[in-house]
Amino acid sequence: AQRVTQPEKLLSVFKGAPVELKCNYSYSGSPELFWYVQYSRQRLQLLLRHISRESIKGFTADLNKGETSFHLKKPFAQEEDSAMYYCALPGPGAGNMLTFGGGTRLMVKP
Amino acid sequence: NAGVTQTPKFRILKIGQSMTLQCAQDMNHNYMYWYRQDPGMGLKLIYYSVGAGITDKGEVPNGYNVSRSTTEDFPLRLELAAPSQTSVYFCASSSTGISPLHFGNGTRLTVT
Repeated sequence: AQRVTQPEKLLSVFKGAPVELKCNYSYSGSPELFWYVQYSRQRLQLLLRHISRESIKGFTADLNKGETSFHLKKPFAQEEDSAMYYCALPGPGAGNMLTFGGGTRLMVKP
Repeated sequence: NAGVTQTPKFRILKIGQSMTLQCAQDMNHNYMYWYRQDPGMGLKLIYYSVGAGITDKGEVPNGYNVSRSTTEDFPLRLELAAPSQTSVYFCASSSTGISPLHFGNGTRLTVT
């Protein structure tokens, strides 16, 4: 069965420090992975998807099929990055749904 | 452009009461979903729909029902509320293919 694991419930860093939010997955086949973000008092929204290979708000994520990981990284954290981050992959089954990890709360301290 | 609209934002129910959580989208999306978000547990899929008249169970469907009579609306019904249904409920929609999900603002439900 497919699964998404985010091992850290809370990650606290100082402004300007590098950030890495971990995501590991189990999936048969070639997955497309996503990172969603939920800022305080805002709705959950797409941050980035690996297929587009783009950088959004300074964040990047590389799919490592050997380690089955899709870690989210940013070289210099900003206070406005404080939010809840969810890693997700498609399925199970048809219908275009997503399976989400448990989420990591990122706190960036001044 | 409202996107995905959920009502109500908050609700407190007594055990055994029933209620309907409303969800509407104005993007003409075929796919719609209901997720629940429990602290530290991520989002769990309750029900989903791939088009009007078609619904299917997700990972945690027990205690819930849905209908999809129009493309725009996807209400979630709780018939006999239980404390285990205390959660934040999110409705989402997407167009066809592997496309991003658009989420509503959520409904915070407490059952006491």
